[in-house]
Amino acid sequence: DQQVKQNSPSLSVQEGRISILNCDYTNSMFDYFLWYKKYPAEGPTFLISISSIKDKNEDGRFTVFLNKSAKHLSLHIVPSQPGDSAVYFCAASGQSTDSWGKLQFGAGTQVVVTP
Amino acid sequence: DADVTQTPRNRITKTGKRIMLECSQTKGHDRMYWYRQDPGLGLRLIYYSFDVKDINKGEISDGYSVSRQAQAKFSLSLESAIPNQTALYFCATSPSWGGTEAFFGQGTRLTVV
Repeated sequence: DQQVKQNSPSLSVQEGRISILNCDYTNSMFDYFLWYKKYPAEGPTFLISISSIKDKNEDGRFTVFLNKSAKHLSLHIVPSQPGDSAVYFCAASGQSTDSWGKLQFGAGTQVVVTP
Repeated sequence: DADVTQTPRNRITKTGKRIMLECSQTKGHDRMYWYRQDPGLGLRLIYYSFDVKDINKGEISDGYSVSRQAQAKFSLSLESAIPNQTALYFCATSPSWGGTEAFFGQGTRLTVV
C-alpha cells in the first residue's frame, strides 16, 4: 500500500501561471518531505524539501507547503516556465538518520507548461 | 561527468539470464541505494547499503541481490531475470549526515523478454 500518494497523474499549465502539485501521505512517522524533478532519460534531481517542524519552505520560484494535520503537502511553482515541464515526484522519509536517503515516493505528476 | 554513473544505460535480456547493473559514484557518500521505477508506482527501494560492510533489503528485494565492492561501487544483480523485472532502475547515494536528500544516477532501462 502506497504511503505517499500523488493523485493527479498530469497537470497542464500556461507559461507564467502558477503550477500547484499535491501530495498526501499516510504514515505519521514521516518527518522529511522532498520534491524531485525528472526529465526523460535522466535521473530524478532534488528540487526542494521541508522538515515537519516547518509549514513552508521557499527557494526561488518553488515553495513547498506542509499541513501535518491533514498529512498533505503541495509544491507551488510561480511563474511556470517551459523548462519546468517534467515529472515531479513527492517523497518522504522518517526522522532517524537511518531513514535518511530511504525514500518513499509517490507515483509522480507529469507537468506540461504550454506557451 | 555525472556524480553517480550507471552502466549500462539500456539493456535487453532474455528470461532466465543473469544480469548485473553497475553503479559508481564520485560524491564520496557512504550510503548507496538501488531503486526501481514502474509506471504508476513511483520509485521503490530494492536494496541499500550504509557502508561497505552493510547490506540491507528494501521494500522489493525478492529476485535481486547486491554487492558493495567499495565505497564508490554498488552493483545490482538479477540472478534469473523475469519479464516483470522490466523497469527503470536507479542507483542513488546520500551522505551519512547533513540531510535526507538522495542523489540519483541517470538510470538503466532494463527489458526482460
